[in-house]
Amino acid sequence: GAVVSQHPSRVICKSGTSVKIECRSLDFQATTMFWYRQFPKQSLMLMATSNEGSKATYEQGVEKDKFLINHASLTLSTLTVTSAHPEDSSFYICSARYTGLNTEAFFGQGTRLTVV
Amino acid sequence: DAKTTQPTSMDCAEGRAANLPCNHSTISGNEYVYWYRQIHSQGPQYIIHGLKNNETNEMASLIITEDRKSSTLILPHATLRDTAVYYCIVRVLASGNTPLVFGKGTRLSVIA
Repeated sequence: GAVVSQHPSRVICKSGTSVKIECRSLDFQATTMFWYRQFPKQSLMLMATSNEGSKATYEQGVEKDKFLINHASLTLSTLTVTSAHPEDSSFYICSARYTGLNTEAFFGQGTRLTVV
Repeated sequence: DAKTTQPTSMDCAEGRAANLPCNHSTISGNEYVYWYRQIHSQGPQYIIHGLKNNETNEMASLIITEDRKSSTLILPHATLRDTAVYYCIVRVLASGNTPLVFGKGTRLSVIA
């Protein structure tokens, strides 16, 4: 199946700093990618939809100025957590699908962010 | 997308078949049933999907009832590596720019 690569897999940062997470589709082009956040023992929650060449669409309650999304190419989307705080500590997961109808989604391996 | 209901957790003995149920009584005629799983600290993994016929691949079988109001994911010979949270998702035929919406899933524990 298709591969979605996410980097880094784990990051620890100090409170107040920014962290960038990369999501790449390795063997297909994805005009749209999705970013999820998952807290311990909870399900995945959609944060935003990343569209190549245009602004991301954020879910209600997600601060667009705090979670900056850039989708500069058909194979790369980045999520930057700005001015991170301990409550931003979470598991962040990206996803991409082939363009076309009824295709399965592929997920990155996730990024464990810990803000200290 | 139609709502799904899954048991919170299930246990299965290693080597036995794991049967994971999912209720989707409000499913529409053009909605597919998808199954994903998430092993601890990893991203979700696609397993299988179907519309109304039973489906089988190298990972699992999907049995959909004739009225399509429920389905069962079958892992024929569960191993310890199958321990994961399994998500049943019902969604309309959609293009690649619509996200998957996850419920709480079923936590399957495969026991030696």
